[in-house]
Amino acid sequence: DAGVTQSPTHLIKTRGQQVTLRCSPKSGHDTVSWYQQALGQGPQFIFQYYEEEERQRGNFPDRFSGHQFPNYSSELNVNALLLGDSALYLCASSLDPLAGLPGELFFGEGSRLTVL
Amino acid sequence: AQKVTQAQTEISVVEKEDVTLDCVYETRDTTYYLFWYKQPPSGELVFLIRRNSFDEQNEISGRYSWNFQKSTSSFNFTITASQVVDSAVYFCALSVRETSGSRLTFGEGTQLTVNP
Repeated sequence: DAGVTQSPTHLIKTRGQQVTLRCSPKSGHDTVSWYQQALGQGPQFIFQYYEEEERQRGNFPDRFSGHQFPNYSSELNVNALLLGDSALYLCASSLDPLAGLPGELFFGEGSRLTVL
Repeated sequence: AQKVTQAQTEISVVEKEDVTLDCVYETRDTTYYLFWYKQPPSGELVFLIRRNSFDEQNEISGRYSWNFQKSTSSFNFTITASQVVDSAVYFCALSVRETSGSRLTFGEGTQLTVNP
């Protein structure tokens, strides 16, 4: 049973560029969340997708956008990259937390983005 | 707003020592959930435990134990007879039930190093 997979694992971009990160959730999971983890800090919630719609959003600018596909996989897009966007981007999948208890999140190994 | 504080940035112990990781949380909600995650060097966050706010019973799982005290808003994690494989960053997290979904608010993490 494959867990959460993310791609790419590492990437380097320059300021002003755009990036797309991809995530495949754990089999059977319908909810995908994205977190940003700066070096030495805890993960910060970006947004959550369920049934192809953004259901919740953290305190991130509109440069951060996402998408969820019918197969529950998801993409995170960041436009007009800034140096401060350098971080580990973590994708987490779960069953719909509104259907019961907030379930434990299953995380991927992340995509490490470096902005030069 | 929710907040999680992990005052210990780094802890270093010798193998077989017991170690306690502290976690203090803030929330105005009466229904909430507390979590501990482990982040090894590979990057993925590994779920360890979830507790809800109505269950203050302490829990033990092998060498791991958790002490939840609502009176002090703390949810501390103890590793008994630590091993080198326990070396990782440990995060405490908080979630409240929202109508639109759920998100985790993480602390800054505690880097645990277990030396042979």
